[in-house]
Amino acid sequence: DTGVSQDPRHKITKRGQNVTFRCDPISEHNRLYWYRQTLGQGPEFLTYFQNEAQLEKSRLLSDRFSAERPKGSFSTLEIQRTEQGDSAMYLCASSLVKGAGTEAFFGQGTRLTVV
Amino acid sequence: AQSVTQLGSHVSVSEGALVLLRCNYSSSVPPYLFWYVQYPNQGLQLLLKYTSAATLVKGINGFEAEFKKSETSFHLTKPSAHMSDAAEYFCAVSDGSRAGKSTFGDGTTLTVKP
Repeated sequence: DTGVSQDPRHKITKRGQNVTFRCDPISEHNRLYWYRQTLGQGPEFLTYFQNEAQLEKSRLLSDRFSAERPKGSFSTLEIQRTEQGDSAMYLCASSLVKGAGTEAFFGQGTRLTVV
Repeated sequence: AQSVTQLGSHVSVSEGALVLLRCNYSSSVPPYLFWYVQYPNQGLQLLLKYTSAATLVKGINGFEAEFKKSETSFHLTKPSAHMSDAAEYFCAVSDGSRAGKSTFGDGTTLTVKP
């Protein structure tokens, strides 16, 4: 068990550029979540997958945000036409659903800075 | 809808003193409750969770929390603070139907003074 891995750890981009982040969950976990965390706030849920199916995406912040998990393993989060307000920490988490109350395991996050 | 309120964005204690971090929740269904710790530029690590078994939950690093339904609270305590406990702590609530999809509080930063 190597934990949840996120890449890159840091990303600086110019406003208007597209960025893509990758998340590799714990290998046997079937659920994968994306959260956004801004300074001084708790993580804010964005979207989640069960295997390759995206079960909820209504909380994605705008149509500039999209996420995929094509083979039910790693996932990508893309932000198009970045804005300064997108600057935040993007956290990925995964879980193995065995029953109610299963906790999620978090990666170390990708910190995005839009200049 | 669910929500979490963490009372006190900053808590400072002396090394060896009691740590008490407060969390109140709102949930229309029986909740599942979690405490996570976050060190600078790191992800979140689970300290403990409540899933409707014992109301007093013991976690890692000497932390524990008590679920009080009547008070809608899930406060985190540790009898004796250590310098390494300095971090940000988040309380989270889930309805259990979608494991891992939680609503988080805004966090409490714990400072431990020597």
